Amino acid sequence: NAGVTQTPKFRILKIGQSMTLQCAQDMNHNYMYWYRQDPGMGLKLIYYSVGAGITDKGEVPNGYNVSRSTTEYFPLRLELAAPSQTSVYFCASSYSQNRETQYFGPGTRLLVL
Amino acid sequence: AQTVTQSQPEMSVQEAETVTLSCTYDTSESDYYLFWYKQPPSRQMILVIRQEAYKQQNATENRFSVNFQKAAKSFSLKISDSQLGDAAMYFCAYSGGSNYKLTFGKGTLLTVNP
Repeated sequence: NAGVTQTPKFRILKIGQSMTLQCAQDMNHNYMYWYRQDPGMGLKLIYYSVGAGITDKGEVPNGYNVSRSTTEYFPLRLELAAPSQTSVYFCASSYSQNRETQYFGPGTRLLVL
Repeated sequence: AQTVTQSQPEMSVQEAETVTLSCTYDTSESDYYLFWYKQPPSRQMILVIRQEAYKQQNATENRFSVNFQKAAKSFSLKISDSQLGDAAMYFCAYSGGSNYKLTFGKGTLLTVNP
């Protein structure tokens, strides 16, 4: 199993551009999550999904959108990139709800200039 | 709202020695889970150990163990026989109630000196 994979590893965006961060998992997990990690901070939840077709906002959803059409994929869309979105983005998945361990992807580093 | 506090921004330990990283949390839930994640320079988040709040016995994974004090809402991580590969940022995290998310502390940067 590859686990949780993310692409790209690193990206530079100009202010106002848009992009999609890709996330895939091959563990047949129902739950998937997007976090961002700012320098010197822990991770904060952006969006999560409890299954295909079901998504909900986390702590810091503004400026982002998600979709989940299949169990495997959970892309994160940035519209109109802003410098405040410069961060490292982590995708994670778990088999079920909060009692289960979340498994993380390697992260995507995004720089908005 | 649940909060997780790691009061030690940085810690250092000599190779082969023991070090303890502190974590306190605040919650009104009775059923919850606590985790320690390790983040090496590669940035990959790696689960080190987890503790179920309903279990009185402290979790242990090889050289890693926790001291879970439920009444004090304290969850410290002890690393025994420290190795150079243990050098990383360590995050304490909480998950509980109907909340799906992990709430993270700000992390403790551990340096292991040879």
